Amino acid sequence: GNSVTQMEGPVTLSEEAFLTINCTYTATGYPSLFWYVQYPGEGLQLLLKATKADDKGSNKGFEATYRKETTSFHLEKGSVQVSDSAVYFCALVQGGSEKLVFGKGMKLTVNP
Amino acid sequence: GAVVSQHPSWVICKSGTSVKIECRSLDFQATTMFWYRQFPKQSLMLMATSNEGSKATYEQGVEKDKFLINHASLTLSTLTVTSAHPEDSSFYICSALGQGIRGYTFGSGTRLTVV
Repeated sequence: GNSVTQMEGPVTLSEEAFLTINCTYTATGYPSLFWYVQYPGEGLQLLLKATKADDKGSNKGFEATYRKETTSFHLEKGSVQVSDSAVYFCALVQGGSEKLVFGKGMKLTVNP
Repeated sequence: GAVVSQHPSWVICKSGTSVKIECRSLDFQATTMFWYRQFPKQSLMLMATSNEGSKATYEQGVEKDKFLINHASLTLSTLTVTSAHPEDSSFYICSALGQGIRGYTFGSGTRLTVV
């Protein structure tokens, strides 16, 4: 079946550090890929997405590229801020389905 | 933007009692609601999918008589954990798809602790 494997945390970084959160997936066909973020006390919010191979999703300084050859969708940000402290989830949706499949989530804490 | 209000945010109950979790779409009509559960250090696992006015469709391994889902209106879906036991302690999250909105809108989750 479909699955998502992502880096486990928690991770603590200093402000302005570079961030990479690895995410790989297993799926039949060509899924759409997502990164969701959950800030403390809030619901998950869509951070970015990509729907086909080589697409790059970007938002708020975060980027992720849909790599079909490595079945990956790693999240990167060049310079994190304290306000980026949150839990990050990688997820996929198989074509023709509405069901999101999530990774375990990774808690990021950014210190000033 | 679209908002789903989920209540309560946390609840502690005694073993054997039932607990109801509500998710309300505040500014859109939620045609489909998804209920997830997350155990510590595990993924969000889909429990069931419900469409307004229809019976919920449960994922394999989820007991439908234990986790009662009601989606009687386009703005409210409820999950009732019946005869809760300590192993039901988990984080429960709802997510909605609706008319006129793009993508999924998530509730903020409910932390259930059964003692």
